Amino acid sequence: KQEVTQIPAALSVPEGENLVLNCSFTDSAIYNLQWFRQDPGKGLTSLLLIQSSQREQTSGRLNASLDKSSGRSTLYIAASQPGDSATYLCAVRQFGSARQLTFGSGTQLTVLP
Amino acid sequence: DADVTQTPRNRITKTGKRIMLECSQTKGHDRMYWYRQDPGLGLRLIYYSFDVKDINKGEISDGYSVSRQAQAKFSLSLESAIPNQTALYFCATSDSWTSPNEQFFGPGTRLTVL
Repeated sequence: KQEVTQIPAALSVPEGENLVLNCSFTDSAIYNLQWFRQDPGKGLTSLLLIQSSQREQTSGRLNASLDKSSGRSTLYIAASQPGDSATYLCAVRQFGSARQLTFGSGTQLTVLP
Repeated sequence: DADVTQTPRNRITKTGKRIMLECSQTKGHDRMYWYRQDPGLGLRLIYYSFDVKDINKGEISDGYSVSRQAQAKFSLSLESAIPNQTALYFCATSDSWTSPNEQFFGPGTRLTVL
């Protein structure tokens, strides 16, 4: 059974810092990996999706990397801003017709002004 | 207007009551999902539906049932609510014709069972 772990559970940084969020998974046979942002009362917003054949994806100040062999992904946030404060969730999708998502428990990020 | 909507957004109920959570989408997606999220935990899949005639159990389906009334509507029912079903519930959709089946989430329903 796939297990997804995110460390740390919470992180507080001053504005302007570059930071890295970590995600690890136990079964490397994944179809893709997705990073989400969760804001209270607003559901989940997809940030980046990396296919299993890809090594990284970039969107603005966000860069997500994937190392399937080691079962790891990182989300890099450059020049953090208070508006980046949210919970960041990592989810992996397995092969198979259902291609279900398995979520990590998230990292709660606070960017201090 | 939001592409995926959930009603109600918040609900407080008592043990033993029947509860229905509703999800509607305007994205035209064929697949719909129900997840629950507990504090400090990731989302866990309850049920999913690939089309109106296809319903599948997820990781934690016990105590829940679903109905896919139309392609755009997917309801989750708790026949007899219990306190450990207190959680944040999310509906999601995806399009099977689009790789890589990216899921889009609703805003969530916060359910409290007393």
